[in-house]
Amino acid sequence: ETGVTQSPTHLIKTRGQQVTLRCSSQSGHNTVSWYQQALGQGPQFIFQYYREEENGRGNFPPRFSGLQFPNYSSELNVNALELDDSALYLCASSAGNNPEYEKLFFGSGTQLSVL
Amino acid sequence: AQSVAQPEDQVNVAEGNPLTVKCTYSVSGNPYLFWYVQYPNRGLQFLLKYITGDNLVKGSYGFEAEFNKSQTSFHLKKPSALVSDSALYFCAVSPYNQGGKLIFGQGTELSVKP
Repeated sequence: ETGVTQSPTHLIKTRGQQVTLRCSSQSGHNTVSWYQQALGQGPQFIFQYYREEENGRGNFPPRFSGLQFPNYSSELNVNALELDDSALYLCASSAGNNPEYEKLFFGSGTQLSVL
Repeated sequence: AQSVAQPEDQVNVAEGNPLTVKCTYSVSGNPYLFWYVQYPNRGLQFLLKYITGDNLVKGSYGFEAEFNKSQTSFHLKKPSALVSDSALYFCAVSPYNQGGKLIFGQGTELSVKP
């Protein structure tokens, strides 16, 4: 088991609502990445935070936003939920000064269902 | 476009036999390459990575992977499969100089039968 914890584990929302997902990174890790994993697909990169600054973003619309706190925990916010947002959302943390090639430690994810 | 391909949705192997899970990639520059494994209802777990140097990389649980630059491949291998190796395997690439963004393949379901 990694030291990355995500909450909640499951969530059901309706279309148009807003949601906040939370992630506590492993102790000593300064980088947090968020991924969306649709059923039967590989994870897709949403964005990454390195020492509280956004360090890269994938092809997701602006209604996906994030935050990293001074203790390196993180939030993912999604506004105006759409049915296609239904997926497993994975948080991953890593240590070191080179996020490009550090191994990621993943949490178990938050399963979001949008009805 | 940058991409990772895992051509087999499923690989079936008998316990004790060698296994190979295939991965090819398409990115510019020299990428960093990874393999992760996902067990049911769990997050992904790191297996191994290639950064530079020896083309044969050894990782966790007896797995290894061979980097082939000319074929742009990074196949995962194990000499003797175990039933407990049954899981979903993901190949991923971190393009050079793009922060920590990982591009994942669609995954390969490995089934090891006794």
